[in-house]
Parts: sequence; structure tokens; C-alpha cells
Amino acid sequence: GAGVSQSPSNKVTEKGKDVELRCDPISGHTALYWYRQSLGQGLEFLIYFQGNSAPDKSGLPSDRFSAERTGGSVSTLTIQRTQQEDSAVYLCASSPQRGLNEQFFGPGTRLTVL
Amino acid sequence: QKEVEQNSGPLSVPEGAIASLNCTYSDRGSQSFFWYRQYSGKSPELIMSIYSNGDKEDGRFTAQLNKASQYVSLLIRDSQPSDSATYLCAALMGGKLIFGQGTELSVKP
Repeated sequence: GAGVSQSPSNKVTEKGKDVELRCDPISGHTALYWYRQSLGQGLEFLIYFQGNSAPDKSGLPSDRFSAERTGGSVSTLTIQRTQQEDSAVYLCASSPQRGLNEQFFGPGTRLTVL
Repeated sequence: QKEVEQNSGPLSVPEGAIASLNCTYSDRGSQSFFWYRQYSGKSPELIMSIYSNGDKEDGRFTAQLNKASQYVSLLIRDSQPSDSATYLCAALMGGKLIFGQGTELSVKP
């Protein structure tokens, strides 16, 4: 596809369950970012991957959150033992190179933790 | 102090007017700035990037950057109801894009 894709588009889970969110960046983009947006709030940076470098995990809110990027392409964000405060839209973005850093966003995954 | 600050609004302008959106940032070393538009329930869409002091024009949009004042603005000329959205300002800091809280713009017919 031409743009960033994310799956699922919606996820409802019960408190304490683990969830996995997937992001397919734009082909050829070397940088990939995860953000979280709570209702009516701005974007909260979570983690970013640049090529084969170690990811910048400085935005992850707790050790329940982790992410990986396989083969420099697809990324998975995992939230373990979900809590109600994890409910938000999780957005993925990719960028063709780090220098310019123009990021293009996917449609997001709306996570609801009951 | 937040790293990127915007007035939350809502900012209401009549159709055809100029909408002015403002943003300040804390990191004097930041070099790259972006404006995103986000419609309700949708993801952010990049509309402008600016890297140098001065103005950058693209159609009805003009981005302005003043690094000495650590100030970025977005002007929307001939505002249309379809411009009604939340506008997010972002600055590149420490290799990461830091977003403001966004300004809600409402263009009244």
C-alpha cells in the first residue's frame, strides 16, 4: 500500500490481558515511531526505531510496554497486563530518513481496556 | 514549562478570514518544525514543514518561524469550513518529534 497501515483498527480487551498492535510502515522508510493519544489530548511519544540502531525507548510509560521491529520493516507494540489507563489511540508513523523527520501517520489502533 | 505549547482554543473564524495559529517551543537547538492537521477521529496529516527563519508558503498556508523568539506560526488564508480541525505543532528535539496539545480551529460559514 501507499501509506502506513495499522492493525487492528479497534481492539477491546479486558484488564490484565496482553495485546499486540501492528504497524506496517511505508516501503523504504527507515524510521518508525509509536505514539499514544488519549481522548482530547496531544500525541505522547512512546518509542522510535531508526534503521538498525538501538531503539529510543525513552517514552515508554512502564515496563509493561515493549516494541520490536523485525527486518527493519513491520513493528509490533506489545502491552502486557493492560490497565484501563492504557485505553487510547495508538498511532504509528514512519519517516524516509532521520534528518528531515517528516513523519507520515497510519490510521491508528483504538484500544479500549474494560 | 511544556516543551511545545499551543493555545488549545477553540479558535473560531468566519469563512474567508485568515486563521492564525501559534506555537512556542522550549529547545533553542531545535531546527525542524512541522504543522499537522487532525480531523476528529482521524490521524494527523502533515501539512507544512519549516526549517529556516522566515516564511514558507504553500497554497493557502503560510508557516512562519522565528528561532530567536522560539516561535512558529501557521496562517491559513481564505479559511474554509473544511479547514475546521485540530492543528498540531511539532518540533524536532533530541531526535524525537515533540507535539503540542493542538489548537482546535472552527471555521464558520
